[in-house]
This record gives sequence, C-alpha cells and structure tokens, in this order.
Amino acid sequence: GIQVEQSPPDLILQEGANSTLRCNFSDSVNNLQWFHQNPWGQLINLFYIPSGTKQNGRLSATTVATERYSLLYISSSQTTDSGVYFCAAENSGGSNYKLTFGKGTLLTVNP
Amino acid sequence: DGGITQSPKYLFRKEGQNVTLSCEQNLNHDAMYWYRQDPGQGLRLIYYSQIVNDFQKGDIAEGYSVSREKKESFPLTVTSAQKNPTAFYLCASIRDGIGYGYTFGSGTRLTVV
Repeated sequence: GIQVEQSPPDLILQEGANSTLRCNFSDSVNNLQWFHQNPWGQLINLFYIPSGTKQNGRLSATTVATERYSLLYISSSQTTDSGVYFCAAENSGGSNYKLTFGKGTLLTVNP
Repeated sequence: DGGITQSPKYLFRKEGQNVTLSCEQNLNHDAMYWYRQDPGQGLRLIYYSQIVNDFQKGDIAEGYSVSREKKESFPLTVTSAQKNPTAFYLCASIRDGIGYGYTFGSGTRLTVV
C-alpha cells in the first residue's frame, strides 16, 4: 500500500513565526488531506488537496502530485495552532476514500 | 448541528471482556470508518463501511468486529482476542463524491485494567 512520511516529527516555534510541514507519499494519489489534532484528541480536516494550492486564512497547502509531496504552511503562528498535524493519502487506484496516515508533526507554539 | 458522536469518551476493560464503542452520525454520510491511534503514532484503519449491511476489513482488523445495520450507526466491538486494545479509537465519516474531507468524532480512549 501507499506509504506516507511526514517531516519534521517535532517543531517548536515562538508565536508569530512561520512554518512549513512536509508530507511525502510513495504513489500517485487521488485523495490527500491535512488534519489538525488538538491536545484533546479532536481531529479537524484542514484541506482536501490531491493537487494544486489552497488557502484558508493563515494556513495554506500545496500538493505537487508529479513529485509526490505536499506542504502545509502556517503563517503568523498562534498558541492555538499547537497540536499534531497529520497528512493522509489514498492512492489513485482506490475509490473508497480509505486513507493512510503519516505519523504526524507535533507542533508546539510558545507565547 | 450535524456531526459524529462517539461514546463513551473513556472506557475501561478487564482482561477477557468484550466492549462496544458507539459511533453515531447525523450527516447523512454513506461511508464510515474506524481508526486506532497509539501514542506518538498515526492512525491505522480497523474497519470501514461504504453502505448499510456491508463492511470491509482495514489494515488491523484482527480482534475487532463491526456492524452497519443503520446508515447512522457504526459500532465497533473490541473482543477478548485483541491482545493490546489500549488505544484511542476514532470514528470518521465522509460525504459521497469528489472533494470532501473526513469528519471525525471526538474519540474513545480505551484502557485495559
């Protein structure tokens, strides 16, 4: 099955800093999503982005499908951005939205 | 408001017991999923169901069972055959069609005592 690798595993920032999280995947994808898990365990979908670029406020994401990676940008980080960011993908042969998750990036934003 | 409700939030199981985790959604989504999360790890797929009365094994189905008798409900039973059940369990659903992301419940934390 598809392999999903995220980097860095941990990231510590001061409030106001910018950051880039990376997701590499081993196969062509028809479904790629980014999630944020808060300290209480709730997972929130940030982006559905199998290709191209999307922006939502201070967050944006870019997927370069031909090179098999996706990037999540966080600008002007806030303490509420802390948590784990997951990338998840389904390869192009799939049709049932069955996602394989990476191990995540643990982001800590200090005041 | 529409969403996914998982219950209970915390569950303690004795050795040899079966326990059932509830997952209910009022989003009218067809597909539902159960994932397991261990500390410091990503999510791993246990079972999924795309329509009522049909479900498929995921990557780590051994020791688990599910049913899908109603569109809104997808309960997960952790059986005594699951040797290491202590984990955080997450239920998700997705709307049919292209371009939609998962919606997750708030999770159930299961501990073996």
